[in-house]
Amino acid sequence: AQSVSQHNHHVILSEAASLELGCNYSYGGTVNLFWYVQYPGQHLQLLLKYFSGDPLVKGIKGFEAEFIKSKFSFNLRKPSVQWSDTAEYFCAVRVYNAGNMLTFGGGTRLMVKP
Amino acid sequence: DVKVTQSSRYLVKRTGEKVFLECVQDMDHENMFWYRQDPGLGLRLIYFSYDVKMKEKGDIPEGYSVSREKKERFSLILESASTNQTSMYLCASSPPGQADTGELFFGEGSRLTVL
Repeated sequence: AQSVSQHNHHVILSEAASLELGCNYSYGGTVNLFWYVQYPGQHLQLLLKYFSGDPLVKGIKGFEAEFIKSKFSFNLRKPSVQWSDTAEYFCAVRVYNAGNMLTFGGGTRLMVKP
Repeated sequence: DVKVTQSSRYLVKRTGEKVFLECVQDMDHENMFWYRQDPGLGLRLIYFSYDVKMKEKGDIPEGYSVSREKKERFSLILESASTNQTSMYLCASSPPGQADTGELFFGEGSRLTVL
């Protein structure tokens, strides 16, 4: 079974700092990749996803992620964070053509100091 | 907008009690899922369902069962609650096939405490 690793459990940044959250997965075949975000007190929502094509994908609120197949990675980036980006971020993987089951990483809790 | 509604936001139960967590979605999605969310462990899949009366075990089904009698409703049942089932429970739904964007639509969660 595939696994997903998010190495940073807690990240604290000041506003305007750049962000990169790491995500690595273990499956060697074709995968779909996702980043979800959970703002305090809210439900999980999709931030961005990669299915195929350009490995650099852009999502909502200025976030982007780059799929590097050789490194089994799908890191999330944002050039300049805002206080409103304080949230928990989850990377998820779905094996292509294997149903709708997503495997989630352990999450990264981001705190942005104003 | 897709709406996934979980009937109880907060529950406190005693060890050995039977617990029902209800989830309803309003977008006619075939696929429904129950996850539990624990700090540092992310989301782990308990059960999922592709259709009415159909269920499949996820990664951590032990101690849980589910029921899908109607397309819009997916219930998670703890037959005899234990303290290690204290957690946040998340329900999600998604469309299948051609409409499948891979996106899961989540409810707001049910935080269960077992004493």
